[in-house]
Amino acid sequence: AQSVSQHNHHVILSEAASLELGCNYSYGGTVNLFWYVQYPGQHLQLLLKYFSGDPLVKGIKGFEAEFIKSKFSFNLRKPSVQWSDTAEYFCAVNAGAGGTSYGKLTFGQGTILTVHP
Amino acid sequence: DTGVSQDPRHKITKRGQNVTFRCDPISEHNRLYWYRQTLGQGPEFLTYFQNEAQLEKSRLLSDRFSAERPKGSFSTLEIQRTEQGDSAMYLCASSFRDRVYNEQFFGPGTRLTVL
Repeated sequence: AQSVSQHNHHVILSEAASLELGCNYSYGGTVNLFWYVQYPGQHLQLLLKYFSGDPLVKGIKGFEAEFIKSKFSFNLRKPSVQWSDTAEYFCAVNAGAGGTSYGKLTFGQGTILTVHP
Repeated sequence: DTGVSQDPRHKITKRGQNVTFRCDPISEHNRLYWYRQTLGQGPEFLTYFQNEAQLEKSRLLSDRFSAERPKGSFSTLEIQRTEQGDSAMYLCASSFRDRVYNEQFFGPGTRLTVL
């Protein structure tokens, strides 16, 4: 069975600070990895994804994530956060093999990011 | 708006009543998923369809829950004899099955409150 663990429940930063949100997953096979974001009052949106290739992936709004296979990690980073990044962030994993993917996403418990102006 | 839509957005019901939610996926998407999210937790998988076939159901899904996608387009999720523990946000997502791609697009959710 797959599982996803996000290290921090709530992170509070000031604008321009750097961000790193931790995500570790447990699964023995090939995986696809995702970060989703949920802004206040809005639905889940995809921030970035990793399927294969370059382990450093870039997403929207200046976010990036690095897949470290040996550590089963997929941490989210942003060099300089803005007040508008205030949201809840979810890491998710989807089992895949041979280029295909299996349906369900397994999510972490989420990290609430609060950015103060 | 061509995104995933869900109806209703909010539902308040009394314990023991039946409720039904509807999800309309993005039109060209052939996969449809249902998740449940409670406060402070990430979404939890319930079930998913490829076209009209229900391919997987979570073992956490009790017999009171049933989902259908009769024509491979919209889907309904019914909860019979609701319990207070069913109170949650029910999320629908859709994707297009592809060899290397499974980005799921989420709808706004239906918030269920069971009194």
